Amino acid sequence: EILMTQSPATLSVSPGETATLSCRASQSVRNNLAWYRQKPGQAPRLLIYGASARATGIPARFSGSGSGTEFTLTISSLQSEDSAVYYCQQYNNWPPVTFGPGTKVEIK
Amino acid sequence: EVQLLESGGGLVQPGGSLRLSCVASGFIFSENTMAWVRQAPGKGLEWVSGISGSASNTDYADSAKGRFTISRDNSENTVYLQMNSLRAEDTAVYYCAKSSGFSYFDYWGQGTLVTVSS
Repeated sequence: EILMTQSPATLSVSPGETATLSCRASQSVRNNLAWYRQKPGQAPRLLIYGASARATGIPARFSGSGSGTEFTLTISSLQSEDSAVYYCQQYNNWPPVTFGPGTKVEIK
Repeated sequence: EVQLLESGGGLVQPGGSLRLSCVASGFIFSENTMAWVRQAPGKGLEWVSGISGSASNTDYADSAKGRFTISRDNSENTVYLQMNSLRAEDTAVYYCAKSSGFSYFDYWGQGTLVTVSS
């Protein structure tokens, strides 16, 4: 099973600034990596797939990069609505798909 | 518009059973892999099971093998999760999710809460 880790666990950022979230896989997942945002009390929403492709309706201020074992989600021009937990997920080895533990983004 | 609507959650005693249902609309159901993903209270996401569009392939997390069974009725646009021998650690919100192949999850339902407690 591929283990996913995320850092930092919590990130506090001011509105308008840029947040950089990291995700690491225990072995290469090529570019088979997705990012999700989960707001409190809501279901997760797909942001990025294929490491860098934005999902339908996701604004350009969300960008993903990386391949192999190291990945980054960058959120620019942070807004209050971006306060959420962000998860990465590998799907290179199914089954099982595995999620990271999440990064909580707080808006100052 | 893609919609996924789960039902069937509730309170069940340890060792009991529940069947979750997820009715889908807004896409060609029979052509899409479906999955169940759960989230224990205050915890992260855990994939539970997946099923191919034709139901020819099913997969399970180790935590679900031998106890849970995923199935689907393409005539009813519904995917099911039969859960037997439930344990306290199965307590979670269970999400139905549409998968783009056996890969990422592009649409999610709102979830149904399963509580296993005496």
